[in-house]
Amino acid sequence: EPEVTQTPSHQVTQMGQEVILRCVPISNHLYFYWYRQILGQKVEFLVSFYNNEISEKSEIFDDQFSVERPDGSNFTLKIRSTKLEDSAMYFCASSEARGSGSGLYEQYFGPGTRLTVT
Amino acid sequence: RKEVEQDPGPFNVPEGATVAFNCTYSNSASQSFFWYRQDCRKEPKLLMSVYSSGNEDGRFTAQLNRASQYISLLIRDSKLSDSATYLCVVNSNDYKLSFGAGTTVTVRA
Repeated sequence: EPEVTQTPSHQVTQMGQEVILRCVPISNHLYFYWYRQILGQKVEFLVSFYNNEISEKSEIFDDQFSVERPDGSNFTLKIRSTKLEDSAMYFCASSEARGSGSGLYEQYFGPGTRLTVT
Repeated sequence: RKEVEQDPGPFNVPEGATVAFNCTYSNSASQSFFWYRQDCRKEPKLLMSVYSSGNEDGRFTAQLNRASQYISLLIRDSKLSDSATYLCVVNSNDYKLSFGAGTTVTVRA
């Protein structure tokens, strides 16, 4: 069964450093997403990406964040200058289509990258 | 008002029991609804989409009430492996999923 993969599984970085989190979405999916989950809290939407551009972003996704699809398979999230409060689990997700439909829009999540900022 | 609110639980049930819980959503324009399960420190895994007419997948039954803006999940004949946090998820626009905080279910032997 196809699945979303993410690397690394755990990233430790110092405050102010840049980090890049990597994801390989399911191969025939066209829509890509990043979510985060701070320990003990709910999953929160960060950004969606389609056709090489951001479709929507949340208020969390400020100028410190950027996303890119550098080649045909990878989808990355970059945090330019990490803060302590960026410590969280970051999940990548993908879907065949968006919004209402007949199942094609179901989002499938990768195993996550645990980011620890010290 | 939170976009998605859930019974926090925990629901502690014996094997073989039936357990049910709800969630409510605030955006009446929401179109798509899902239940995901999340095991400790793992990713959300899609359990089932929720259709307007209600739907069943094995021991799991989901219902949607658009008028009252709530979604329910019922688990029959609970197994130990059903122990998890169940996330109510609403697609409030074309791209973004809004998650509830989760309902914790523990099935005991």
